[in-house]
Amino acid sequence: EVQLVESGGGLVQPGGSLRLSCAASGFTFSSYWMSWVRQAPGKGLEWVANINQDGGEKYYVDSVKGRFTISRDNARNSLYLQMNSLTAEDTAVYYCARATHRGNSYGQSSWVMDVWGQGTTVTVSS
Amino acid sequence: DIQMTQSPSSLSASVGDRVTITCRASQSITNYLNWYQQKPGKAPKLLIYAASSLQSGVPSRFSGSGSGPDFTLTISSLQPEDFATYYCQQSYSAPWAFGQGTKVEIK
Repeated sequence: EVQLVESGGGLVQPGGSLRLSCAASGFTFSSYWMSWVRQAPGKGLEWVANINQDGGEKYYVDSVKGRFTISRDNARNSLYLQMNSLTAEDTAVYYCARATHRGNSYGQSSWVMDVWGQGTTVTVSS
Repeated sequence: DIQMTQSPSSLSASVGDRVTITCRASQSITNYLNWYQQKPGKAPKLLIYAASSLQSGVPSRFSGSGSGPDFTLTISSLQPEDFATYYCQQSYSAPWAFGQGTKVEIK
């Protein structure tokens, strides 16, 4: 079964740090881009970061640049999100997702997030 | 950065109704447009990719259309399990972006 399981969430004080993990199983982890997406309480989805198969390409939303770092360990089938200088605005459920480029018979294509974890909750509060 | 605008932000409909949700990109994204469904307390689920292709296992009452910048998600006959929040998402260029969501509620 294809599965992603996040861990590492919790309560942290403003200015603190946290490292999220995402364990992948049921597919060849090293063959896929991976993403982090978050959702603040009662709010919509916000894409956070992407990383390519070997970790050489990384992209971030502006609001986390310089504070968050996405990384992966293909030997451990694991994705990570190191979060530093946390603020209340970072309070959210964080999801990891598998990203893949998918096409159809009409020659159209798109990058999609087709497998998602259950999420881990990060609360930034004093 | 590309912004995605969905409308309406919420709607009330009855079982059996035809429902249409629109999404507009701030610039052309060709067909790099996906739709996701999210139920309370659950992770999002991919419904439609490349604007109009149905993800495997998704009922055929869901359909997508359009090409950058305007897109539409249609549910041809709303079922009880379809009451949820729907998000469009562009993957044309980083930073990827979601629309603000459309909550479909029971009338």
